[in-house]
Amino acid sequence: EVQLVESGGGLVQPGRSLKLSCAASGFTFSNYYMAWVRQAPKKGLEWVATISTSGSRTYYPDSVKGRFTISRDNAKSSLYLQMNSLKSEDTATYYCARQPGTFDYWGQGVMVTVSS
Amino acid sequence: DIQMTQSPASLSASLGETVTIECRASEDIYNGLAWYQQKPGKSPQLLIYNANSLHTGVPSRFSGSGSGTQYSLKINSLQSEDVASYFCQQYYDYPPTFGAGTKLELK
Repeated sequence: EVQLVESGGGLVQPGRSLKLSCAASGFTFSNYYMAWVRQAPKKGLEWVATISTSGSRTYYPDSVKGRFTISRDNAKSSLYLQMNSLKSEDTATYYCARQPGTFDYWGQGVMVTVSS
Repeated sequence: DIQMTQSPASLSASLGETVTIECRASEDIYNGLAWYQQKPGKSPQLLIYNANSLHTGVPSRFSGSGSGTQYSLKINSLQSEDVASYFCQQYYDYPPTFGAGTKLELK
């Protein structure tokens, strides 16, 4: 069974940093692109970042480019999202997702609140 | 970026009814279209990929169709457990983009 478990969320002040983690199990992690997708409270879904199988290629939307960094450790079957210079508009639930094209499996999500 | 326009924004239907949700892309996405179901307080779950392929474990009352820029999700014989929000998403081109969602409620 595919399982994705996020951790590392919480309350953080504007301008500060936070790092999210996602532990994967039930599949060969190193064979899949992985992604982060977020959802602001009562809002829709927004893709945040994608990383290739080896980690050599990363992709971001303009809204987070230069502030967020996605990375992975295939030996630990883990995905990460380093978020710097956080803004109030980054407040959302962040989901880790497997991405073989579409997002076929999602974690339960972790809440990030950016507020002073 | 490819814009995804989803309709209706909300929908009320009765048990056993057939429901259709539409999604229009701002350009041809060549069937690179997925549908997700999100129940309150839960993460999204993939229902349909490649516009018309059913994801593992998804009931056959769900179906997808369409091509080019116009796509639809149909739910036959609506069940109580289908109360949820539904989102379309294109993955033909980066950045992947989502529709705004359709909230489905029971009448």
